[in-house]
Amino acid sequence: AQTVTQSQPEMSVQEAETVTLSCTYDTSESDYYLFWYKQPPSRQMILVIRQEAYKQQNATENRFSVNFQKAAKSFSLKISDSQLGDAAMYFCAYRSATWSNYKLTFGKGTLLTVNP
Amino acid sequence: DTAVSQTPKYLVTQMGNDKSIKCEQNLGHDTMYWYKQDSKKFLKIMFSYNNKELIINETVPNRFSPKSPDKAHLNLHINSLELGDSAVYFCASSQTSGGAGETQYFGPGTRLLVL
Repeated sequence: AQTVTQSQPEMSVQEAETVTLSCTYDTSESDYYLFWYKQPPSRQMILVIRQEAYKQQNATENRFSVNFQKAAKSFSLKISDSQLGDAAMYFCAYRSATWSNYKLTFGKGTLLTVNP
Repeated sequence: DTAVSQTPKYLVTQMGNDKSIKCEQNLGHDTMYWYKQDSKKFLKIMFSYNNKELIINETVPNRFSPKSPDKAHLNLHINSLELGDSAVYFCASSQTSGGAGETQYFGPGTRLLVL
């Protein structure tokens, strides 16, 4: 079974600074997908960024980028120019590429605080 | 236009009662899911349906029964509610074909409180 580990229960960053959230995972599969979801106090789960394991290029979405290290099974999220609206719980998630096993396996989350 | 909607958003009930949560998606997706988020914010899959067929059934008490009348709807019925069922329940949907990474889109969640 796959597991996802987020080793930082809480992180804080100054507005306009950069912060990196860590995520490692364990799997024996070679094809899979990785995601970062954001959950603000409204509790809505919002997709931040997605990475396909077969792609070597790291995904980017505006101020959000990942450092995907497949051999190390590491998938960190970098938030540049942090904004107050980035304050939320961030979840790393793994999804198998195997049919019938499309569930998301989540890490325990990292609570990000953005200080003005 | 809400992509994945759930009703109700809040549900407060007594132990032993039976309750249902409804989920609808208008994204045209063929797969729907139920996740449970506990008091420590941990999210775990409960069920998944693809084209009305159950494909994932994690270790969930049989008091929980999902039903998918069509691929746009997935409901969750809970019998004999217990205190430990208090949680936020999320519905999600995705498209299993198309090579888009089959991103799962979540509903707003239903906060269930069992007294």
